[in-house]
Amino acid sequence: EDQVTQSPEALRLQEGESSSLNCSYTVSGLRGLFWYRQDPGKGPEFLFTLYSAGEEKEKERLKATLTKKESFLHITAPKPEDSATYLCAVQSGGYQKVTFGTGTKLQVIP
Amino acid sequence: NAGVTQTPKFQVLKTGQSMTLQCAQDMNHEYMSWYRQDPGMGLRLIHYSVGAGITDQGEVPNGYNVSRSTTEDFPLRLLSAAPSQTSVYFCASSYRTGSSYNEQFFGPGTRLTVL
Repeated sequence: EDQVTQSPEALRLQEGESSSLNCSYTVSGLRGLFWYRQDPGKGPEFLFTLYSAGEEKEKERLKATLTKKESFLHITAPKPEDSATYLCAVQSGGYQKVTFGTGTKLQVIP
Repeated sequence: NAGVTQTPKFQVLKTGQSMTLQCAQDMNHEYMSWYRQDPGMGLRLIHYSVGAGITDQGEVPNGYNVSRSTTEDFPLRLLSAAPSQTSVYFCASSYRTGSSYNEQFFGPGTRLTVL
């Protein structure tokens, strides 16, 4: 059974204080690892897809990296508008084989 | 494009009532799915469809029915609502490029309370 564990559950940062979110996974044949952002009361919004170990992707202050066992979402010099819950998901087979983690709730304080 | 739309945004039901959550997408995506999101549980797949006329069960299908008569629409029906179905429901759509699976586009969600 595929498993996804995200840590920490919650993270509070000062504006400008860089940090990383972790997504550890166990899957039988990774097809893709996805990062989403979810604001309160809204649906998840896609950020990145990573397909193989060693791959990296960047978008503004966010950078996602992937190894064979985990993925990191690095946040550089965060701003209050980066406050949200960040979800990690892995796909190991067909469309039905997508497993989500429980998310990391990030709060960036001005 | 409106993307993925869901109605209603909020709903309160009494135990035993039935209702249909509506979902539509205008991106011509072949894949559509329904998830429920509960505190501490993450998103869990209820049902999914890989095209019109084709549906299948996900991780937590009991108590729910789906149908897919068109590419655009994928309604979720609660047969006889129970308090355990109190949750936030998200509809999502996606597409496949060759052998690669792509990201899912989520709707804004329906917050359902069953009394």
